Amino acid sequence: GDSVTQMEGPVTLSEEACLTINCTYTATGYPSLFWYVQYPGEGLQLLLKATKADDKGSNKGFEATYRKETTSFHLEKGSVQVSDSAVYFCALRGSARQLTFGSGTQLTVLP
Amino acid sequence: EAEVAQSPRYKITEKSQAVAFWCDPISGHATLYWYRQILGQGPELLVQFQDESVVDDSQLPKDRFSAERLKGVDSTLKIQPAELGDSAMYLCASSSGGTDTQYFGPGTRLTVL
Repeated sequence: GDSVTQMEGPVTLSEEACLTINCTYTATGYPSLFWYVQYPGEGLQLLLKATKADDKGSNKGFEATYRKETTSFHLEKGSVQVSDSAVYFCALRGSARQLTFGSGTQLTVLP
Repeated sequence: EAEVAQSPRYKITEKSQAVAFWCDPISGHATLYWYRQILGQGPELLVQFQDESVVDDSQLPKDRFSAERLKGVDSTLKIQPAELGDSAMYLCASSSGGTDTQYFGPGTRLTVL
């Protein structure tokens, strides 16, 4: 079945540091890929998505590129802020048309 | 901006009691999802509705959980009786037909004592 493997956390960075959170997936066909963010005590918010190979999703300074050859969708940001502290979830929507989530990566950014 | 509404935000109950959660999706969204998120894990789908019909409830523990969406708009998820292992965040999401993007509500945090 479909599965998503995420870099385990927690990740702690200083403000303005570079961020990479690794995500790889297993799925049949051509899934759509997503990054969701969850702030403390809140539900999930869609951060960015990509629906086909080589697409780059971007939002709020975050980027991720759909790499079919490596089955990856790594999340990157060049300069993180304290307000980026949250849990980040990688997810895919496969042939079953359901979202399958990774286990999440806790990011803490220190001032 | 339209949002998915859920209530209550927090619920504390004793085991063997009944609990119910309510979700109001974004207006016009035909597809509604209920997820369970255990602390430290990603959400897992419990049930998916298309209008008032259940599309997938394969992961719903049907001996104690039930879900309905009678008029194809808002939805209720019920647990009876609650068990200690049911302590989790219950998330509702909705999407319009034919698109991939799911929009999530703030969730209901359930604690079973």
